[in-house]
Amino acid sequence: NAGVTQTPKFQVLKTGQSMTLQCAQDMNHNSMYWYRQDPGMGLRLIYYSASEGTTDKGEVPNGYNVSRLNKREFSLRLESAAPSQTSVYFCAYRQSFYGYTFGSGTRLTVV
Amino acid sequence: TQLLEQSPQFLSIQEGENLTVYCNSSSVFSSLQWYRQEPGEGPVLLVTVVTGGEVKKLKRLTFQFGDARKDSSLHITAAQTGDTGLYLCAGGGETSGSRLTFGEGTQLTVNP
Repeated sequence: NAGVTQTPKFQVLKTGQSMTLQCAQDMNHNSMYWYRQDPGMGLRLIYYSASEGTTDKGEVPNGYNVSRLNKREFSLRLESAAPSQTSVYFCAYRQSFYGYTFGSGTRLTVV
Repeated sequence: TQLLEQSPQFLSIQEGENLTVYCNSSSVFSSLQWYRQEPGEGPVLLVTVVTGGEVKKLKRLTFQFGDARKDSSLHITAAQTGDTGLYLCAGGGETSGSRLTFGEGTQLTVNP
């Protein structure tokens, strides 16, 4: 989606491997978010960053870490992947007082 | 934790029919947003409603925010195959920096 670039688009990991999901926005917005989407459970917030240099836990932070490297980039790291982390991961920024713009997602499978 | 429940979870209709999707909560939200998501893509914002009782129209889509700001509905008139997708409602808290709470989504399929 316009304004948010997520990489990679697909990834298969073995249990215990680590990886970093990258997210970059080109609109200079302060607030950025990481969500995971699982069937029948909607979008659940993992971590968010209200501004450069700050991060806070969301609803499901266990097993993840984040870094707000600068205003543009917000990365999500899985230190030791587990099958329960198989999901689609979305990065987003808040484009206005109310609206979010999402990336196209990273589809992660942990075997 | 604020929860949003959407119904129905799945909806399959014929082109030309009308439909309504509901989003309900026991909590009050300062705003309510509707997103549409297509396969392989992220959600895209359709509309935001902020005032109790507010009604917004987007072509054949009508969005309403409940008077008590606890629920919302999305009505589609004369559905088209291009309306097929996952519809998500999301509620915002009382402050501008508060996070969104998403419903589980309604998967709509419009058959030709």
